[in-house]
Amino acid sequence: GENVEQHPSTLSVQEGDSAVIKCTYSDSASNYFPWYKQELGKGPQLIIDIRSNVGEKKDQRIAVTLNKTAKHFSLHITETQPEDSAVYFCAASPLYGGATNKLIFGTGTLLAVQP
Amino acid sequence: DSGVTQTPKHLITATGQRVTLRCSPRSGDLSVYWYQQSLDQGLQFLIQYYNGEERAKGNILERFSAQQFPDLHSELNLSSLELGDSALYFCASSVDPAPYGYTFGSGTRLTVV
Repeated sequence: GENVEQHPSTLSVQEGDSAVIKCTYSDSASNYFPWYKQELGKGPQLIIDIRSNVGEKKDQRIAVTLNKTAKHFSLHITETQPEDSAVYFCAASPLYGGATNKLIFGTGTLLAVQP
Repeated sequence: DSGVTQTPKHLITATGQRVTLRCSPRSGDLSVYWYQQSLDQGLQFLIQYYNGEERAKGNILERFSAQQFPDLHSELNLSSLELGDSALYFCASSVDPAPYGYTFGSGTRLTVV
């Protein structure tokens, strides 16, 4: 079945450094790739997403890159700040896939930004 | 506040019991998705409703059922509860059937003792 692998499971960086989280998906029909941030005691919050017709997307300090051939996509956070500390989830889905119309999530990365 | 409301926030119940979790989607959203989050399984898709109709189904147990009402709120019913059902249950909503940019609620933490 569909599967999304996410690495690393934990990541510790110094404030101001960059952080990179990588995901691999199995369903070649996937064409939508969002990233969610989950803080303690809260629900996941969408922070950025990308569709398969785009190779890269940036929003201030965060960026996502997509390699459809290799079925890889990555989240890049630059100039990390302590408030970036959270669990980050990648996900993949075909859009308008009917019965397959659901996000498949990676297992999450716990990012700790050390002051 | 995401605009997606889930009640109750916490629920403690005994094995064998039945509970109902409620979700009100963000204003204007027609799709509701239910997810289960546990430490060892991550975020697992359970079921999706769109405008009152079941749209997609995931790894939802037969002991679990859901529905979406005419006012678009949704309920997830969990019966014959087992210890392993203890988890966070999230609902998310979106405008259309696609999972594009959907918004999660703050979840219901279910503890089965």
